[in-house]
Amino acid sequence: DAGVTQSPTHLIKTRGQHVTLRCSPISGHKSVSWYQQVLGQGPQFIFQYYEKEERGRGNFPDRFSARQFPNYSSELNVNALLLGDSALYLCASSLDRSTDTQYFGPGTRLTVL
Amino acid sequence: QKEVEQDPGPLSVPEGAIVSLNCTYSNSAFQYFMWYRQYSRKGPELLMYTYSSGNKEDGRFTAQVDKSSKYISLFIRDSQPSDSATYLCAMSPAYNTDKLIFGTGTRLQVFP
Repeated sequence: DAGVTQSPTHLIKTRGQHVTLRCSPISGHKSVSWYQQVLGQGPQFIFQYYEKEERGRGNFPDRFSARQFPNYSSELNVNALLLGDSALYLCASSLDRSTDTQYFGPGTRLTVL
Repeated sequence: QKEVEQDPGPLSVPEGAIVSLNCTYSNSAFQYFMWYRQYSRKGPELLMYTYSSGNKEDGRFTAQVDKSSKYISLFIRDSQPSDSATYLCAMSPAYNTDKLIFGTGTRLQVFP
């Protein structure tokens, strides 16, 4: 079975631009979470979506938004990019909200110039 | 003070050594504890999961949780060069397993 997939693999943007990152969860998984991992740090929680609704949000500004589609795939959108948004963006899926096991995708590396 | 503290290393050991990786935490509500392995430029891969206090063994890996001390450990026996990676501890409270709190990760290098 395919694991969590993310696209694109790499992305280079300039300050002020907008970016959309995509994630497809493991087949059968209904919950998707997004994390930001800055170089040298552990992942930080951004959002959790379950059954197309936002179920949790971390300490990120409103420039960050996300949504989940009927097929449980998800998009993370970031507006008005800042240099500090450069990071590895990770998507994790789990079977449902209450499960304790999250499986991570390979991530999208975003560079903001 | 961060909720989860982890020595960033790097930790360099010879092949065959026993490796001990540790995290401390401050939130007594944490009930689920995980260890992830992350190779360079890859996503984290779940290695071990434990609930509350106790030990769990899986092959060469043993995870320990001491809730009274707010301290968790991962032991790697007979370490191999292929174990060279960053090891991340992660945890969550029972009431919100959706949001994992990660340590900064410890970089491990096992040399032949």
